[in-house]
Amino acid sequence: GAVVSQHPSRVICKSGTSVKIECRSLDFQATTMFWYRQFPKQSLMLMATSNEGSKATYEQGVEKDKFLINHASLTLSTLTVTSAHPEDSSFYICSARDGDRVFDYGYTFGSGTRLTVV
Amino acid sequence: GESVGLHLPTLSVQEGDNSIINCAYSNSASDYFIWYKQESGKGPQFIIDIRSNMDKRQGQRVTVLLNKTVKHLSLQIAATQPGDSAVYFCEAGANSKLTFGKGITLSVRP
Repeated sequence: GAVVSQHPSRVICKSGTSVKIECRSLDFQATTMFWYRQFPKQSLMLMATSNEGSKATYEQGVEKDKFLINHASLTLSTLTVTSAHPEDSSFYICSARDGDRVFDYGYTFGSGTRLTVV
Repeated sequence: GESVGLHLPTLSVQEGDNSIINCAYSNSASDYFIWYKQESGKGPQFIIDIRSNMDKRQGQRVTVLLNKTVKHLSLQIAATQPGDSAVYFCEAGANSKLTFGKGITLSVRP
């Protein structure tokens, strides 16, 4: 089945620094990728939809200058948390859709990145 | 977006029993439904999906039932095992972005 690789799985950074998270589709081309944020014991919150070759579409309330998304190829999307602060600490998850193969596969998720800002 | 919710926040079942997890959705135009499972510290994992032109679909130990009349979706897990312990999310949409419900925690008692 479809596989999405997300790195790093865990990162600790100092307040004020930037962190880049990568999301790769390993065996399919993902024209659309999604980025989520999840707080402990809560559901996933969609942050933005990333389309290859175009600007990401951000959900209301998500700062696009804070969370930079780049989807330069059909297999890679990156999320950069700029000038991170402790309140940005969270679990970030990406997902990708393999074109017409949504049925029987759904959307494939990465394993998530635990970001801790100290 | 889609408004999707789950009736109960937690469900505790005895190992070996069948589990039923329920979900309600609000958009009657939804034509595609997915169930996901998320274990602690991991990303969601696809379980099973169903299109609106079906009312039942079976997988390995899992069955999804769709009642479009009352906009209700359920996931049945047969012979629940300890490895089934996780948070379960349903999602409804139409080739759109995913909007997850709050999630229900399934706890399997030994």
